[in-house]
Amino acid sequence: ETGVTQSPTHLIKTRGQQVTLRCSSQSGHNTVSWYQQALGQGPQFIFQYYREEENGRGNFPPRFSGLQFPNYSSELNVNALELDDSALYLCASSHSWGRSQETQYFGPGTRLLVL
Amino acid sequence: GENVEQHPSTLSVQEGDSAVIKCTYSDSASNYFPWYKQELGKRPQLIIDIRSNVGEKKDQRIAVTLNKTAKHFSLHITETQPEDSAVYFCAASERNDYKLSFGAGTTVTVRA
Repeated sequence: ETGVTQSPTHLIKTRGQQVTLRCSSQSGHNTVSWYQQALGQGPQFIFQYYREEENGRGNFPPRFSGLQFPNYSSELNVNALELDDSALYLCASSHSWGRSQETQYFGPGTRLLVL
Repeated sequence: GENVEQHPSTLSVQEGDSAVIKCTYSDSASNYFPWYKQELGKRPQLIIDIRSNVGEKKDQRIAVTLNKTAKHFSLHITETQPEDSAVYFCAASERNDYKLSFGAGTTVTVRA
């Protein structure tokens, strides 16, 4: 069974730029959630994708957007980067099937630094 | 929305002693409560979880208790070992596979 993977591992951008982060879900999983973890804090929910559609969103502005592809991998896009966007971005995958609920498994994260 | 508070923020224990971390939540609709362990530079890993129809769950040296009336749940680690040193996060959600609301974390240090 293949675990959740993310790329890149580290990224440095300047304020105002745009960034795309990628996540490959665990084999057999159809749901991907994205979280932002600032230094010294718990992860904060950004949004979730289920079967290629957004399925819930946290308190993040529209410049945070995402996609999910037919193979259930996902992208997180952030436009007009701000200094406060510097954080570890985690994706988590799970399998959802009707009433079936399974645990979320996290990827290793992408550490983004905005200068 | 859900608000999860976690205490203490840091915890230092002697090897072999017990460690207890407590969390409170605000949303009565929450019924799934996982605990994650995050070692430095690594991904959060699920160590134990509990659903609201159960008051206590144990897995070897780790146990979680839930008081749904008071809206609080706790992680208990017995016979702590140096490899238990990490940051521990509690979380709450309506479903296993939906948005998790995390606490701010507890840094546990086990002294040899």
